Amino acid sequence: QSALTQPPSASGSPGQSVTISCTGTSSDVGAYKYVSWYQQHPGKAPKLMIYEVSERPSGVPDRFSGSKSGNTASLTVSGLQAEDEADYYCSSYAGSNNYVFGTGTKVTVL
Amino acid sequence: QVQLVQSGAEVKKPGASVKVSCKASGYTFTNYHMHWVRQAPGQGLEWMGIINPSGGSTTYTKKFQGRVTMTRDTSTRTAYMELSSLRSEDTAVYYCARAGYGAKHYCDYWGQGTLVTVSS
Repeated sequence: QSALTQPPSASGSPGQSVTISCTGTSSDVGAYKYVSWYQQHPGKAPKLMIYEVSERPSGVPDRFSGSKSGNTASLTVSGLQAEDEADYYCSSYAGSNNYVFGTGTKVTVL
Repeated sequence: QVQLVQSGAEVKKPGASVKVSCKASGYTFTNYHMHWVRQAPGQGLEWMGIINPSGGSTTYTKKFQGRVTMTRDTSTRTAYMELSSLRSEDTAVYYCARAGYGAKHYCDYWGQGTLVTVSS
């Protein structure tokens, strides 16, 4: 199972939007509505930001949104804030009780 | 509140085994699957496997099959991940993470991580 492909980095100024892509295959991202996104600050455990493509857990700001088209999922952070600077990882169900993470994207707030 | 508390850092020699524990509290342990994920220094997240604490059934990613064993003790609400035949590339932070209720296809709570260092 190969890792999902994410851009290594993305950036934006405070208040702007940034979108991160997550490209898989027809066996994982393209096959299921089970894409999730995690935020990880340095030295910390990951935090769930989006599940089932576009659902937000309680407590996650509505500035975070998710979508999917074909084999590519996306996470958009609107109204960027300094605290959004972190690494972001996507994950997808890959069938047969298997899962795969993305390669990760470092988001920088300029 | 949901908490996952993992065991402390370990230093192991190549060829040895390590067993990491993950004690759950604040929810019904047997109602939620548990994922195990690792992260090598400066690298991304890597999914290792999942255990159903209710019946103990497991699924391991191919990369670790034959080297990893995930178990649980329902009496102490603790999940375990044991990795054998350790090599330097296994140096990483290992996380347990609770799966979402029902469709278990995401991790909603994470442990604090356990650093395992493999060095001669």
